[in-house]
Amino acid sequence: EIVLTQSPATLSLSPGERATLSCRASQSVSTYLAWYQQKPGQAPRLLIYDASSRATGIPARFIGSGSGTDFALTISSLEPEDFAVYYCQQNNRWPALTFGGGTVVEIK
Amino acid sequence: QVQLVESGGGVVQPGRSLRLSCAASGFPFSVWGMHWVRQAPGKGLEWVAVLAHDGATEYYGDSVKGRFTISRDNSKNTLYLQMNSLGAEDTAVYYCVRDLRGRYFDFWGQGTLVTVSS
Repeated sequence: EIVLTQSPATLSLSPGERATLSCRASQSVSTYLAWYQQKPGQAPRLLIYDASSRATGIPARFIGSGSGTDFALTISSLEPEDFAVYYCQQNNRWPALTFGGGTVVEIK
Repeated sequence: QVQLVESGGGVVQPGRSLRLSCAASGFPFSVWGMHWVRQAPGKGLEWVAVLAHDGATEYYGDSVKGRFTISRDNSKNTLYLQMNSLGAEDTAVYYCVRDLRGRYFDFWGQGTLVTVSS
């Protein structure tokens, strides 16, 4: 099973700052990686797929990058609605789909 | 717009069974693969099962294999999850999710809570 490790566990930032979240895979997943945002009491929402493609309706401030084992989600300038939990997810070996443990982006 | 509405959750005793349903609307259900994903209280996300658009192919996560069965009725635009031999470790919010390109989850329902407790 491919394990995804997200860091940091918690990121404390202020609105307007840049956020960089990391996701590392235990073996290569090529570019088969997605990012999701989850707010309290809500279902997750797809932000990025194929490592760098934004899902429909996702603002340009969300930027995905990476390939192989190292990936990043960058939020170029945090808006108040961006404070949430972020999960990465891989599917390089169908049908085993796995998620990372999540990164909490909180208001400093 | 795409809507996925889960139902059937509740409190169930260990060892018993429960069937979840997911009513889909706003898209051609019969051409999309569908998943169940769960989230234990305060924890992360865990993929549970996937079913191809025509019901011909299904796969399960290791923790539910042999106990859970995913199915669908395309005439009713409904996805199901039959859960047998439930244990405390199955306590979670269960989300019905549409598949994207066989690899990702692009639309999520609001979830239904299953609590396994005596």
